[in-house]
Amino acid sequence: DIVMTQTPLSSPVTLGQPASISCRSSQSLVHSDGITYLSWFQQRPGQPPRLLIYRVSDRFSGVPDRFSGSGAGTDFTLKISRVEAEDVGVYYCMQTTHFPSFGQGTRLEIK
Amino acid sequence: EIQLVESGGTLVLPGGSLRLSCAVSGFTFTNYDMSWVRQAPGKGLEWVSYISVSSSTIYYADSVKGRFTISRDNAKNSLYLQMNSLRDEDTALYYCVRNPSRLLDYWGQGILVTVSS
Repeated sequence: DIVMTQTPLSSPVTLGQPASISCRSSQSLVHSDGITYLSWFQQRPGQPPRLLIYRVSDRFSGVPDRFSGSGAGTDFTLKISRVEAEDVGVYYCMQTTHFPSFGQGTRLEIK
Repeated sequence: EIQLVESGGTLVLPGGSLRLSCAVSGFTFTNYDMSWVRQAPGKGLEWVSYISVSSSTIYYADSVKGRFTISRDNAKNSLYLQMNSLRDEDTALYYCVRNPSRLLDYWGQGILVTVSS
């Protein structure tokens, strides 16, 4: 099984400042088709998860451009360029290159 | 508007059975693979099961293999999860998720299943 490890587990951020979350996989996430199936989700309090980023860096429909994804192989990052109040919640990375697995989640909170 | 609406969750005794349903609308169900994902209270996300459009390909997480059965009725635009031999650790919010091309793009609101004596 692929283990996804996120850091940090909690991230207090000042409004308007950037935030960054890392995700590391226990094996390469490059599929035999050449695509890396790494996604990022946002879960606001009391809401279902929402897809933000797929295939490492593609922004999903309706996602603000302050969210960006990067990385390759086993190391990936989600960045928020300027945190807004509505960004509070838990962020998960997920891989679907192999049997699907999620990171343990990173709680983003406002200082 | 894309909608996925889960139903069937309730309180059930350990060892009991339950069938979850997911009714979808706003997209052509027969074009999309589907999955179930669950979230225990206060915990993270766990993928549970996947089914292809034609039901020819089905996968399960090890934690539910042999106990849960995923199915779909394309004529009714519905996805199902039959859960047998339920355990305390199956207590969770169960999400129905659209799953095209290794993406989990649209999620239902979730339905709560509580396994307790």
